[in-house]
Amino acid sequence: DVKVTQSSRYLVKRTGEKVFLECVQDMDHENMFWYRQDPGLGLRLIYFSYDVKMKEKGDIPEGYSVSREKKERFSLILESASTNQTSMYLCASSLGLGSGRSDTQYFGPGTRLTVL
Amino acid sequence: AQSVTQLDSHVSVSEGTPVLLRCNYSSSYSPSLFWYVQHPNKGLQLLLKYTSAATLVKGINGFEAEFKKSETSFHLTKPSAHMSDAAEYFCVVSRVNTGFQKLVFGTGTRLLVSP
Repeated sequence: DVKVTQSSRYLVKRTGEKVFLECVQDMDHENMFWYRQDPGLGLRLIYFSYDVKMKEKGDIPEGYSVSREKKERFSLILESASTNQTSMYLCASSLGLGSGRSDTQYFGPGTRLTVL
Repeated sequence: AQSVTQLDSHVSVSEGTPVLLRCNYSSSYSPSLFWYVQHPNKGLQLLLKYTSAATLVKGINGFEAEFKKSETSFHLTKPSAHMSDAAEYFCVVSRVNTGFQKLVFGTGTRLLVSP
């Protein structure tokens, strides 16, 4: 079974702090994704990565950055946390190039971040 | 542009009765469509996916969905609800961006199951 783990289930930070959210997958997947989930809005893509050191902006990248130094690990960084970044953050991974239309994303359990 | 609309934000059923969660999609080409489920305080789990093979797709836990191109719909059904089906369900369409498949999520339908 694919396993995607996230470093924390719950996190409380203060406005202006630098925040790191970590995600690790154990299936040698090429693609990794960061989403945020808000009530009534579904999931929205923040950033994704299709290879080590490669990244692309998603639909809502403002206020976030990412890092992928190793294939299995994808980090989401909030450079200066703000209250409007209070949300559930979900990481996902997928097999990637060559898997075509059946490429399935596997999700981690999520990190609920509260910024005070 | 690809998008999905989940027609109900909440659906309430009694245990043992049928479940119908409605989803309409918009896509400029033949889409891949998915249903994911999220139980409280858990990550998303794939229920089923449609990728242009059979139009009736069977998933886990007795769920199935039918792709209807003429109606641009991909409704999720189950003949008999179980208490453990109470969760939030997301209809998802894929879109291709610079060669990579990205997902577009609906806003979710919360399924409530009463005894």
